[in-house]
Amino acid sequence: AQSVTQLGSHVSVSEGALVLLRCNYSSSVPPYLFWYVQYPNQGLQLLLKYTSAATLVKGINGFEAEFKKSETSFHLTKPSAHMSDAAEYFCAVSEGTNFGNEKLTFGTGTRLTIIP
Amino acid sequence: DAGITQSPRHKVTETGTPVTLRCHQTENHRYMYWYRQDPGHGLRLIHYSYGVKDTDKGEVSDGYSVSRSKTEDFLLTLESATSSQTSVYFCATHAWTGTGELFFGEGSRLTVL
Repeated sequence: AQSVTQLGSHVSVSEGALVLLRCNYSSSVPPYLFWYVQYPNQGLQLLLKYTSAATLVKGINGFEAEFKKSETSFHLTKPSAHMSDAAEYFCAVSEGTNFGNEKLTFGTGTRLTIIP
Repeated sequence: DAGITQSPRHKVTETGTPVTLRCHQTENHRYMYWYRQDPGHGLRLIHYSYGVKDTDKGEVSDGYSVSRSKTEDFLLTLESATSSQTSVYFCATHAWTGTGELFFGEGSRLTVL
């Protein structure tokens, strides 16, 4: 069964500092991996996804993530935090079976706070 | 934007009453999902549908039922609401198989007193 672990339920960084949100996954097959962002009182929107192409994936708003199979990790980074990055971030994994049950399994989320 | 509308967006009800949440999509997407979001748990899958009248259980399906009589509508029913079902419910869709990327509605906040 697939699973996701997000280390740190709350992360605070200063404006302009590096953002690093950690995600480790478990999957019995090569996974598809996603980062979603949720702003207050909104649904989730896709930041970026890894689907077995390039291991370094670039997403919206300057975020990127690197798939490391040996470490079973898919950490999210951004070189310079902006106040608008304050939100909750979810890592998710799918095993993409093509049989109509590509259910995503989500991590428990990391709330990112930006300190002015 | 996958054109997903959830209703109601907010609801307060009492223990033991039935509740139905509606998800409506305008993109003719085949797959639809209901998740619940709770602090410390992230999002957990309740039920999903892979076509009209084709549904299956997710990891937290106890106390919930679903129906999909039309491609565009996916209903989530709590037959007899309990306080443990107080949560934010999200509907999601995606059009094709392969990667699992989802498009989400804006959520329905349910409070069971």
